Amino acid sequence: NAGVTQTPKFQVLKTGQSMTLQCAQDMNHEYMSWYRQDPGMGLRLIHYSVGAGITDQGEVPNGYNVSRSTTEDFPLRLLSAAPSQTSVYFCASSLTGNADTQYFGPGTRLTVL
Amino acid sequence: DQQVKQNSPSLSVQEGRISILNCDYTNSMFDYFLWYKKYPAEGPTFLISISSIKDKNEDGRFTVFLNKSAKHLSLHIVPSQPGDSAVYFCAASPNNNAGNMLTFGGGTRLMVKP
Repeated sequence: NAGVTQTPKFQVLKTGQSMTLQCAQDMNHEYMSWYRQDPGMGLRLIHYSVGAGITDQGEVPNGYNVSRSTTEDFPLRLLSAAPSQTSVYFCASSLTGNADTQYFGPGTRLTVL
Repeated sequence: DQQVKQNSPSLSVQEGRISILNCDYTNSMFDYFLWYKKYPAEGPTFLISISSIKDKNEDGRFTVFLNKSAKHLSLHIVPSQPGDSAVYFCAASPNNNAGNMLTFGGGTRLMVKP
C-alpha cells in the first residue's frame, strides 16, 4: 500500500512550457485534491474531485486544469507555466471527504524561470 | 486577507518543556479546526482536531484548546521531544465534512532542542 504518490519530486520549467504533475493513490479513495504551498501562506486548494468524472475549482484554480478519469489518478496540468506558479504542490486523498482523514502525498517542488 | 493566521513563524523549545503553538482566525463560519504536522520533503499529516462545540481535545502529548469568543486556538505539546521538530499548520473548515474547504495558516516551525 503506497498511499499517495506524486511525480516528479522536482521540476524546473521555462515560462510558457506545459507539464503535468502526476498524483496516484491506491487506497480506493473517492476524494482527491490539489494544493499549492507558498512561503508564509499555508496550503491553498487548487482543484478537487469527489469521484471519477467529477471535478471542481478550489480557491486558486487559474492556470491549472484537472481531470479524473479513474479513481486512482488525479493529474494536474499547467498549460502555460508562469513564474507565479513556482510553488510546492501537494496532492491529497480521502475516503470520506472529511477534513481529518486526508492523506497527503510528498509534494512536487516546481520552479518556473 | 488571510482568514487563518499563525503569527509566529518559528518557535524553539527545550526537550521536556511545553510547546505552545498559536493560531487566530477571523471567519465566524469556521466550525472545525485541525492541526497538521509536516516534516521536510513529506506531505502534511493530520495531528489533532477540535469541533467548535468543545473547548479542549486531548490526544496523548497533544492538546488543542479553542477559544471561540477570541477566535483563537492553540496546540500544546507536553513534554516536547526532538522528534516533534517540524512545521505545524493550523487549518479551519465550516465543518468536518468539508475537507475541500480547508483554510490553512502559514505554519510555525517548531524546533525542539535536546
